[in-house]
Amino acid sequence: QVQLQESGPRLVRPSETLSLTCTVSGGSLSNIYWTWIRQPAGKGLEWLGRIYPSGSTNYNPFLKSRVTMSIDTSKNQLSLNLKSVTAADTAVYYCARESNTGWHAVEYWGHGTLVTVSS
Amino acid sequence: DIQMTQSPSSLSASVGDTVTITCRSSQAVSNYLHWYQQKPGEAPKLLIYGTSTSQRGVPSRFSGSGSATEFTLTISSLQPEDFATYYCQQSFTIPQNFGQGTKVAIK
Repeated sequence: QVQLQESGPRLVRPSETLSLTCTVSGGSLSNIYWTWIRQPAGKGLEWLGRIYPSGSTNYNPFLKSRVTMSIDTSKNQLSLNLKSVTAADTAVYYCARESNTGWHAVEYWGHGTLVTVSS
Repeated sequence: DIQMTQSPSSLSASVGDTVTITCRSSQAVSNYLHWYQQKPGEAPKLLIYGTSTSQRGVPSRFSGSGSATEFTLTISSLQPEDFATYYCQQSFTIPQNFGQGTKVAIK
């Protein structure tokens, strides 16, 4: 069973960079898309982007050039960096894995980690 | 971007009721439409993918239908554990946006 665990600082100061790591167990990172999604408190889900093991990425345009995703297959880890954060970036951040059915639904989710942007 | 709009935003229902949630996309998404259930404090759970295929382990009372720009999630004979928020998502194009959610509450 694939399991995902997000980790990283829970508090980030405005204008700084939010950095999260997702460690994957129970399977390899190969041949599937890995996704980052966030959810502000009391609000809906926001798709941030995805990365393929080759390093190919798709980002949500609303993040413009602030977001970078990377992948380390040797460590079975994903990373999310979001720079120049503001209070609007306060949210629960999920790493997740798409299904292998070809439909690109999100099948496996981490528990999520709350990141607060505040001085 | 394709915008996803769910209706209603919330509803109240009783155990045993049949509930229907609608998701409309601003452009056709073929059948790349999926449904998730989220309970408070938990990560979302995939229920239905490809419009109408149930994820393994999902009870048969959950069903999905639709095409192009209009899709529905139906919960037949609502059970106590079904009170949650439901989201649709399209994966036809990037960004793979979600609907705003529909909260199903106990009447």
